[in-house]
Amino acid sequence: AQTVTQSQPEMSVQEAETVTLSCTYDTSESDYYLFWYKQPPSRQMILVIRQEAYKQQNATENRFSVNFQKAAKSFSLKISDSQLGDAAMYFCAYRSGGGGADGLTFGKGTHLIIQP
Amino acid sequence: NAGVTQTPKFQVLKTGQSMTLQCAQDMNHEYMSWYRQDPGMGLRLIHYSVGAGITDQGEVPNGYNVSRSTTEDFPLRLLSAAPSQTSVYFCASSYLTANYGYTFGSGTRLTVV
Repeated sequence: AQTVTQSQPEMSVQEAETVTLSCTYDTSESDYYLFWYKQPPSRQMILVIRQEAYKQQNATENRFSVNFQKAAKSFSLKISDSQLGDAAMYFCAYRSGGGGADGLTFGKGTHLIIQP
Repeated sequence: NAGVTQTPKFQVLKTGQSMTLQCAQDMNHEYMSWYRQDPGMGLRLIHYSVGAGITDQGEVPNGYNVSRSTTEDFPLRLLSAAPSQTSVYFCASSYLTANYGYTFGSGTRLTVV
Protein backbone atom coordinates (compact mmCIF):
# COMPACT_ATOMS: atom_id res chain seq x y z
CA ALA A 1 0.00 0.00 0.00
CA GLN A 2 1.10 3.50 -0.71
CA THR A 3 1.72 6.06 2.00
CA VAL A 4 1.97 9.84 1.83
CA THR A 5 3.78 11.83 4.50
CA GLN A 6 3.58 15.55 5.15
CA SER A 7 6.09 16.30 7.87
CA GLN A 8 5.08 19.91 8.52
CA PRO A 9 1.80 20.16 10.46
CA GLU A 10 1.94 23.95 10.24
CA MET A 11 3.87 26.56 8.26
CA SER A 12 3.85 30.34 8.46
CA VAL A 13 5.00 32.82 5.83
CA GLN A 14 4.91 36.59 5.37
CA GLU A 15 2.63 37.92 2.68
CA ALA A 16 4.43 38.26 -0.69
CA GLU A 17 7.15 35.81 0.26
CA THR A 18 7.75 32.27 -0.94
CA VAL A 19 6.98 29.10 1.00
CA THR A 20 7.62 25.43 0.27
CA LEU A 21 5.45 22.62 1.63
CA SER A 22 7.01 19.17 1.81
CA CYS A 23 5.55 15.82 0.80
CA THR A 24 7.14 12.41 0.53
CA TYR A 25 5.51 9.19 -0.56
CA ASP A 26 6.25 5.53 -0.62
CA THR A 27 5.26 3.28 -3.51
CA SER A 28 6.53 0.34 -5.51
CA GLU A 29 4.65 1.47 -8.62
CA SER A 30 6.22 3.27 -11.55
CA ASP A 31 2.99 4.71 -12.97
CA TYR A 32 1.18 7.15 -10.70
CA TYR A 33 -0.03 10.70 -10.29
CA LEU A 34 0.50 13.21 -7.54
CA PHE A 35 -1.71 16.10 -6.52
CA TRP A 36 -1.84 19.03 -4.17
CA TYR A 37 -5.24 20.03 -2.81
CA LYS A 38 -6.09 23.21 -0.95
CA GLN A 39 -8.79 23.27 1.73
CA PRO A 40 -9.70 26.79 2.90
CA PRO A 41 -11.92 27.40 5.92
CA SER A 42 -14.93 26.95 3.64
CA ARG A 43 -14.03 23.23 3.70
CA GLN A 44 -14.09 22.91 -0.09
CA MET A 45 -11.33 20.70 -1.54
CA ILE A 46 -9.70 22.53 -4.45
CA LEU A 47 -7.20 20.95 -6.82
CA VAL A 48 -4.11 23.15 -6.96
CA ILE A 49 -1.71 21.23 -9.18
CA ARG A 50 -1.02 17.73 -10.47
CA GLN A 51 2.05 15.86 -11.67
CA GLU A 52 2.35 12.75 -13.81
CA ALA A 53 5.16 10.49 -12.60
CA TYR A 54 6.37 9.79 -16.13
CA LYS A 55 6.97 13.48 -16.81
CA GLN A 56 10.32 14.85 -15.73
CA GLN A 57 9.21 18.45 -16.10
CA ASN A 58 7.84 19.98 -12.95
CA ALA A 59 4.24 21.17 -13.13
CA THR A 60 3.46 24.88 -12.76
CA GLU A 61 0.17 26.71 -12.29
CA ASN A 62 0.64 30.47 -11.98
CA ARG A 63 2.20 31.11 -8.53
CA PHE A 64 2.19 27.40 -7.67
CA SER A 65 4.90 25.01 -8.75
CA VAL A 66 6.18 21.63 -7.66
CA ASN A 67 9.60 20.11 -7.21
CA PHE A 68 9.13 16.48 -8.19
CA GLN A 69 12.05 14.22 -7.34
CA LYS A 70 10.99 10.75 -8.45
CA ALA A 71 14.05 8.87 -7.20
CA ALA A 72 13.74 10.49 -3.79
CA LYS A 73 9.93 10.09 -3.82
CA SER A 74 9.51 13.72 -2.97
CA PHE A 75 6.83 16.12 -4.20
CA SER A 76 7.05 19.59 -2.64
CA LEU A 77 4.79 22.54 -3.40
CA LYS A 78 6.22 26.04 -3.78
CA ILE A 79 3.93 29.02 -3.44
CA SER A 80 5.43 32.26 -4.72
CA ASP A 81 4.27 35.75 -3.80
CA SER A 82 2.06 34.39 -1.01
CA GLN A 83 -1.34 36.02 -0.66
CA LEU A 84 -3.79 36.13 2.23
CA GLY A 85 -6.14 33.94 0.20
CA ASP A 86 -3.54 31.18 0.18
CA ALA A 87 -4.16 30.53 3.88
CA ALA A 88 -5.57 27.02 4.08
CA MET A 89 -4.85 23.37 4.77
CA TYR A 90 -2.83 21.79 1.97
CA PHE A 91 -2.99 18.09 1.27
CA CYS A 92 -0.64 16.04 -0.84
CA ALA A 93 -2.29 13.04 -2.54
CA TYR A 94 -1.25 10.01 -4.55
CA ARG A 95 -3.23 8.14 -7.19
CA SER A 96 -2.16 4.88 -8.78
CA GLY A 97 -1.87 4.88 -12.55
CA GLY A 98 -3.53 1.49 -12.84
CA GLY A 99 -7.04 2.58 -13.79
CA GLY A 100 -7.69 4.87 -10.85
CA ALA A 101 -10.07 2.65 -8.89
CA ASP A 102 -7.87 2.59 -5.81
CA GLY A 103 -8.73 6.12 -4.85
CA LEU A 104 -6.55 8.89 -3.56
CA THR A 105 -4.14 8.37 -0.68
CA PHE A 106 -3.78 11.59 1.29
CA GLY A 107 -1.18 12.96 3.63
CA LYS A 108 -2.34 14.42 6.93
CA GLY A 109 -2.05 17.97 5.71
CA THR A 110 -0.09 21.16 6.36
CA HIS A 111 -1.82 24.20 7.80
CA LEU A 112 -0.46 27.28 6.01
CA ILE A 113 -0.68 30.63 7.79
CA ILE A 114 -0.09 33.86 5.89
CA GLN A 115 1.16 36.75 8.02
CA PRO A 116 0.10 40.19 6.72
CA ASN B 1 -22.32 23.72 -13.88
CA ALA B 2 -23.20 22.00 -10.58
CA GLY B 3 -20.24 19.56 -10.30
CA VAL B 4 -20.64 17.37 -7.22
CA THR B 5 -23.59 18.16 -4.97
CA GLN B 6 -23.73 16.86 -1.41
CA THR B 7 -26.63 17.12 0.99
CA PRO B 8 -27.08 17.91 3.79
CA LYS B 9 -24.22 20.27 4.75
CA PHE B 10 -24.72 19.68 8.47
CA GLN B 11 -26.43 16.94 10.44
CA VAL B 12 -26.74 15.93 14.09
CA LEU B 13 -27.77 12.36 14.85
CA LYS B 14 -28.42 10.44 18.00
CA THR B 15 -26.56 7.21 18.59
CA GLY B 16 -28.35 4.36 16.85
CA GLN B 17 -30.19 6.49 14.30
CA SER B 18 -29.77 5.87 10.62
CA MET B 19 -29.44 8.35 7.78
CA THR B 20 -28.35 8.73 4.19
CA LEU B 21 -25.88 11.26 2.87
CA GLN B 22 -26.69 12.17 -0.69
CA CYS B 23 -24.19 12.73 -3.50
CA ALA B 24 -24.91 13.58 -7.12
CA GLN B 25 -22.64 14.57 -10.00
CA ASP B 26 -23.47 15.86 -13.45
CA MET B 27 -20.13 15.35 -15.18
CA ASN B 28 -20.73 11.78 -16.35
CA HIS B 29 -17.87 10.55 -14.19
CA GLU B 30 -17.55 6.79 -13.93
CA TYR B 31 -15.79 6.88 -10.58
CA MET B 32 -17.42 8.06 -7.36
CA SER B 33 -16.20 7.74 -3.82
CA TRP B 34 -16.80 8.69 -0.21
CA TYR B 35 -14.12 9.95 2.19
CA ARG B 36 -14.19 10.91 5.80
CA GLN B 37 -11.95 13.62 7.24
CA ASP B 38 -10.94 13.55 10.88
CA PRO B 39 -8.60 16.02 12.63
CA GLY B 40 -4.97 15.11 12.05
CA MET B 41 -5.90 12.14 9.84
CA GLY B 42 -6.24 13.56 6.36
CA LEU B 43 -8.98 12.01 4.23
CA ARG B 44 -9.65 8.28 4.28
CA LEU B 45 -11.56 6.29 1.69
CA ILE B 46 -14.80 4.66 2.87
CA HIS B 47 -16.35 3.15 -0.29
CA TYR B 48 -16.05 3.69 -3.99
CA SER B 49 -17.75 2.80 -7.26
CA VAL B 50 -16.40 2.46 -10.79
CA GLY B 51 -19.82 2.46 -12.42
CA ALA B 52 -23.52 1.80 -11.94
CA GLY B 53 -24.07 -1.44 -10.08
CA ILE B 54 -20.44 -1.76 -8.97
CA THR B 55 -19.20 -0.81 -5.51
CA ASP B 56 -16.26 -1.77 -3.34
CA GLN B 57 -14.80 -1.08 0.08
CA GLY B 58 -12.08 1.38 0.87
CA GLU B 59 -9.89 1.77 3.91
CA VAL B 60 -12.60 2.40 6.54
CA PRO B 61 -15.89 0.77 5.37
CA ASN B 62 -17.31 -0.53 8.65
CA GLY B 63 -20.66 0.97 9.61
CA TYR B 64 -21.39 2.31 6.13
CA ASN B 65 -23.29 1.02 3.11
CA VAL B 66 -23.39 2.30 -0.45
CA SER B 67 -25.19 1.54 -3.67
CA ARG B 68 -25.00 2.93 -7.16
CA SER B 69 -28.09 2.52 -9.25
CA THR B 70 -27.28 5.36 -11.67
CA THR B 71 -24.12 7.02 -12.98
CA GLU B 72 -25.10 10.28 -11.28
CA ASP B 73 -25.92 9.23 -7.70
CA PHE B 74 -23.89 7.57 -4.96
CA PRO B 75 -25.58 7.73 -1.54
CA LEU B 76 -23.82 6.77 1.69
CA ARG B 77 -25.90 5.10 4.39
CA LEU B 78 -25.15 5.01 8.08
CA LEU B 79 -27.14 2.07 9.42
CA SER B 80 -26.76 2.69 13.16
CA ALA B 81 -24.82 5.86 13.91
CA ALA B 82 -22.06 5.79 16.51
CA PRO B 83 -20.09 8.67 18.07
CA SER B 84 -16.99 7.35 16.24
CA GLN B 85 -18.69 8.33 12.98
CA THR B 86 -18.61 12.00 13.92
CA SER B 87 -16.62 13.44 11.03
CA VAL B 88 -16.72 15.50 7.88
CA TYR B 89 -17.75 13.44 4.87
CA PHE B 90 -16.78 14.20 1.29
CA CYS B 91 -18.08 12.75 -1.91
CA ALA B 92 -15.70 12.88 -4.87
CA SER B 93 -15.93 11.88 -8.50
CA SER B 94 -13.59 11.46 -11.44
CA TYR B 95 -13.14 9.89 -14.80
CA LEU B 96 -11.61 6.45 -14.43
CA THR B 97 -8.47 7.60 -16.21
CA ALA B 98 -6.06 8.10 -13.34
CA ASN B 99 -4.42 11.30 -14.54
CA TYR B 100 -7.43 13.33 -13.50
CA GLY B 101 -7.77 14.68 -10.04
CA TYR B 102 -11.05 14.31 -8.27
CA THR B 103 -13.88 16.82 -8.05
CA PHE B 104 -15.11 17.09 -4.49
CA GLY B 105 -18.45 18.03 -3.04
CA SER B 106 -18.60 20.68 -0.34
CA GLY B 107 -18.76 18.15 2.48
CA THR B 108 -21.19 17.15 5.23
CA ARG B 109 -20.34 17.78 8.85
CA LEU B 110 -21.93 14.97 10.85
CA THR B 111 -22.12 14.91 14.62
CA VAL B 112 -23.33 11.81 16.45
CA VAL B 113 -24.32 12.41 20.07
